[in-house]
Amino acid sequence: KNEVEQSPQNLTAQEGEFITINCSYSVGISALHWLQQHPGGGIVSLFMLSSGKKKHGRLIATINIQEKHSSLHITASHPRDSAVYICAALPSQGGSEKLVFGKGTKLTVNP
Amino acid sequence: ETGVTQSPTHLIKTRGQQVTLRCSSQSGHNTVSWYQQALGQGPQFIFQYYREEENGRGNFPPRFSGLQFPNYSSELNVNALELDDSALYLCASSSGLNHRQFFGPGTRLTVL
Repeated sequence: KNEVEQSPQNLTAQEGEFITINCSYSVGISALHWLQQHPGGGIVSLFMLSSGKKKHGRLIATINIQEKHSSLHITASHPRDSAVYICAALPSQGGSEKLVFGKGTKLTVNP
Repeated sequence: ETGVTQSPTHLIKTRGQQVTLRCSSQSGHNTVSWYQQALGQGPQFIFQYYREEENGRGNFPPRFSGLQFPNYSSELNVNALELDDSALYLCASSSGLNHRQFFGPGTRLTVL
């Protein structure tokens, strides 16, 4: 079992729909990242959070440390949101910033 | 402010060869991490450099080595290439430990 699990693996939505991607982790963490990866490979860092909630435009990320769970929400989804969304946990033990990645959620938003 | 850049963008090598990948960190960043992403998988941590010193390493053999320069740019060297080394290699820089990481576009390595 991976230390970081994401669901769903694939997600197809219609433009305008509200999207939720989930991330669960099994280790103690000091922070969690949400990343966006477009075809071709480039990764964009969306959020880094260690508690509560962060919002940027139509994107909202939440984390519940006690439940070891984080969610990424996209409001009013658009075809340009189509990408792979990856969560990555920074374990609180270890000393280095050894991010542990989920396998990603492939989101397709149809017009 | 320039972002993280990597070179080359694509590379084709044959088994047994050696390769050097380069990463220029974002201005003001002193920490660089390298990741390997196989097709269809999430990235795997290779190692991290903080102020020119290695600060942690993932489960990669010694033929994966790295370097960070005084300007905080970094190199990833892979010796004795194997077919399974074919992947997207990503570097990410940050302004210190436990800070948000910013990723480069990656170098796609194909080993034939």
